[in-house]
Amino acid sequence: DGGITQSPKYLFRKEGQNVTLSCEQNLNHDAMYWYRQDPGQGLRLIYYSQIVNDFQKGDIAEGYSVSREKKESFPLTVTSAQKNPTAFYLCASSIGRASNQPQHFGDGTRLSIL
Amino acid sequence: AQSVTQPDIHITVSEGASLELRCNYSYGATPYLFWYVQSPGQGLQLLLKYFSGDTLVQGIKGFEAEFKRSQSSFNLRKPSVHWSDAAEYFCAVGTGNQFYFGTGTSLTVIP
Repeated sequence: DGGITQSPKYLFRKEGQNVTLSCEQNLNHDAMYWYRQDPGQGLRLIYYSQIVNDFQKGDIAEGYSVSREKKESFPLTVTSAQKNPTAFYLCASSIGRASNQPQHFGDGTRLSIL
Repeated sequence: AQSVTQPDIHITVSEGASLELRCNYSYGATPYLFWYVQSPGQGLQLLLKYFSGDTLVQGIKGFEAEFKRSQSSFNLRKPSVHWSDAAEYFCAVGTGNQFYFGTGTSLTVIP
């Protein structure tokens, strides 16, 4: 079955440490997204990518970085500059970035601070 | 400013009762409209979508939604709620190559 795989499901970060969240899709989708979800705030867009080797900042990109070296993969690094990283992180993909393309989601990674 | 509003943060219904979750949007043109459901600790699953045509759309799990242009609304409904419907529900709007999510409505189902 095609889908989006996020790993790990739970992740703990120490102060001053960078951590990387994995997102892989086998849907052959061009566009991929990273969202942060906090209670009562819905989903906020961190970064998105429309094609390989290209990505754009979303609404809350500070303290995060991404890469898109392969169509299937869109890892997110939470850097030490992100002072409040505790949240649920969701990766999504869509056929294209057009607004009529529904996004498909992975099962998320919950990041906590040690 | 463009926005998606879900006025109800939390709703409680009895199993077997009907359900309506509200969604209002604020955009210049008719956007593309979606409803997603999220079970605890999981990602979002698409329930249904509206692009054009018939304003009443059917989705998975017995859900339907009605687009009302005059009210800028896209409310989600289900005639008879099951205990397994307890989850978080998100309305989303696609417009101008952007995608916007509401803040969600949490549904509790009591026996």
